[in-house]
Amino acid sequence: TQLLEQSPQFLSIQEGENLTVYCNSSSVFSSLQWYRQEPGEGPVLLVTVVTGGEVKKLKRLTFQFGDARKDSSLHITAAQPGDTGLYLCAGAPTGGFKTIFGAGTRLFVKA
Amino acid sequence: DSGVTQTPKHLITATGQRVTLRCSPRSGDLSVYWYQQSLDQGLQFLIQYYNGEERAKGNILERFSAQQFPDLHSELNLSSLELGDSALYFCASSAQGQGTTGELFFGEGSRLTVL
Repeated sequence: TQLLEQSPQFLSIQEGENLTVYCNSSSVFSSLQWYRQEPGEGPVLLVTVVTGGEVKKLKRLTFQFGDARKDSSLHITAAQPGDTGLYLCAGAPTGGFKTIFGAGTRLFVKA
Repeated sequence: DSGVTQTPKHLITATGQRVTLRCSPRSGDLSVYWYQQSLDQGLQFLIQYYNGEERAKGNILERFSAQQFPDLHSELNLSSLELGDSALYFCASSAQGQGTTGELFFGEGSRLTVL
């Protein structure tokens, strides 16, 4: 199947802690995207990773694409309450058209 | 503001009824996607259109249909509504052309409540 599996499903941490969320698949993706969604709103694109092994940084967020382009991770350093939200990975498997989404990691950062 | 406009934002209707959700993509984007998100669930892909033609289909019920018009706006029609159809329906658009990486830009969603 061409599924994107995200882990953990839910994460509740204290402000200032670090965390990593994962996005895994058995399929190869030409690119993967990470989105953040707040309640009642549409997902907002954070980053796209394209090259196997690529690392991208967005302030305290670090995104990595696996060498085989089947998985990705998102690391947040010194989490803040404003990071609270649903983090979704998404992508279109190589040769496919439809963009599929993982089920998401729901992050809650306590002050 | 993503540039994608969805209407209506909220809709309350009864079982058995029919509704139409409307989406205007970002200027210049040729692809429109529809997703369904039920309470505390992920985004379920329904259907994608590219420049007026159906490009990919997901878990879209036969009671649902969609189309993309020559001006690139899209409509999602939901008929014979059931309680379980209550959800957030998102439209997204992308350039989906050569050299693009498939990033999606989402509207704010249409919240459908079926009573």
